[in-house]
Amino acid sequence: GAVVSQHPSWVICKSGTSVKIECRSLDFQATTMFWYRQFPKQSLMLMATSNEGSKATYEQGVEKDKFLINHASLTLSTLTVTSAHPEDSSFYICSVVDRGVQAFFGQGTRLTVV
Amino acid sequence: DQQVKQNSPSLSVQEGRISILNCDYTNSMFDYFLWYKKYPAEGPTFLISISSIKDKNEDGRFTVFLNKSAKHLSLHIVPSQPGDSAVYFCAASAGRNFNKFYFGSGTKLNVKP
Repeated sequence: GAVVSQHPSWVICKSGTSVKIECRSLDFQATTMFWYRQFPKQSLMLMATSNEGSKATYEQGVEKDKFLINHASLTLSTLTVTSAHPEDSSFYICSVVDRGVQAFFGQGTRLTVV
Repeated sequence: DQQVKQNSPSLSVQEGRISILNCDYTNSMFDYFLWYKKYPAEGPTFLISISSIKDKNEDGRFTVFLNKSAKHLSLHIVPSQPGDSAVYFCAASAGRNFNKFYFGSGTKLNVKP
């Protein structure tokens, strides 16, 4: 099965700065990766679908200019939180779905904006 | 509007007994369901799945039951072990779009030795 590596596992940044989170599919070429966000004690919410070589598809209510997604290769997708604010502090997780429809998740990134 | 709901935020069970985690959904188009287990500061890991053509799927100590008429599924863990202590999420997807999952808010299971 696919193994997904996410980096960094945690990051603290100052308000107004940008943060990049990487998601790598280690043994599976993923034309599509997914980015989720989890608020404390809430469910994982799908933010966007990252498509290799084309624009990401964002869920309703997710600001595409704030959460920039780049999927330049079959093994790497990046999520950049631009001009971060404290309300962006959250747990961000990427996933890859293999041919057997099982989703594999990265270990997640805890973002804290101070 | 949350389409997948886990109404019990926590559950405490004695080691060796059965753990039953429940999940309800509202979208009748959902036809594929999964349970994930999550430890703190880690990503979810796949546990077990069930498609709508079945009403039960079993894998070792884990069994998932699906009641389509009630739009309800449950995860049974028997016997429960302390290592099962984690947050359990149910997730659902619709049709051929298996990629898009809707998650419940999770149930924190604590198995006491």
